[in-house]
Amino acid sequence: TQLLEQSPQFLSIQEGENLTVYCNSSSVFSSLQWYRQEPGEGPVLLVTVVTGGEVKKLKRLTFQFGDARKDSSLHITAAQPGDTGLYLCAGANAGGTSYGKLTFGQGTILTVHP
Amino acid sequence: NAGVMQNPRHLVRRRGQEARLRCSPMKGHSHVYWYRQLPEEGLKFMVYLQKENIIDESGMPKERFSAEFPKEGPSILRIQQVVRGDSAAYFCASSPAGGLAHEQYFGPGTRLTVT
Repeated sequence: TQLLEQSPQFLSIQEGENLTVYCNSSSVFSSLQWYRQEPGEGPVLLVTVVTGGEVKKLKRLTFQFGDARKDSSLHITAAQPGDTGLYLCAGANAGGTSYGKLTFGQGTILTVHP
Repeated sequence: NAGVMQNPRHLVRRRGQEARLRCSPMKGHSHVYWYRQLPEEGLKFMVYLQKENIIDESGMPKERFSAEFPKEGPSILRIQQVVRGDSAAYFCASSPAGGLAHEQYFGPGTRLTVT
């Protein structure tokens, strides 16, 4: 069974601070997705990383996939109250019996105070 | 709105009743996935369907749960004889045929409450 562990589980910071969320596994994934979920809504796809060592930037958000494709990180620069939400990482495998199945981490609840 | 649609958004059922959850994938998407989010737990995969085919149902409970994605119409997740432990948010996601199955786009979810 593949598992993804996210840390920290909770993060409470002031507006303007930087933060990093980690997503770790002992298993290799062919790709890793990051989602953001608002209360009462479904997860919204932020980014997909597929290549070991890949770095993707989305405005103030920087996503990195580990060289061994077992871990990923999300870094937010100068956080804003609008960044508040639940951040989820999800791993996938390209083939075999797990194709199409996303394995989710437990999530990181981020609160950015004005 | 070209996103994944789910209805109802909220569903209340008494123990023993049946719950039917509907999902219409994004336009052009023919792969549908169902996930369950229990209170205090993360999202767990339930089933992966393509039109008229169940591809992977390894996450579905063996009893009372079934899913279908007919040639015409939405995908349906059916829970028979619901129990309190079935109370959860159920999310549907879709992806395009021939695309990356892991790039899944989620609907707003159906919150099922069993009283």
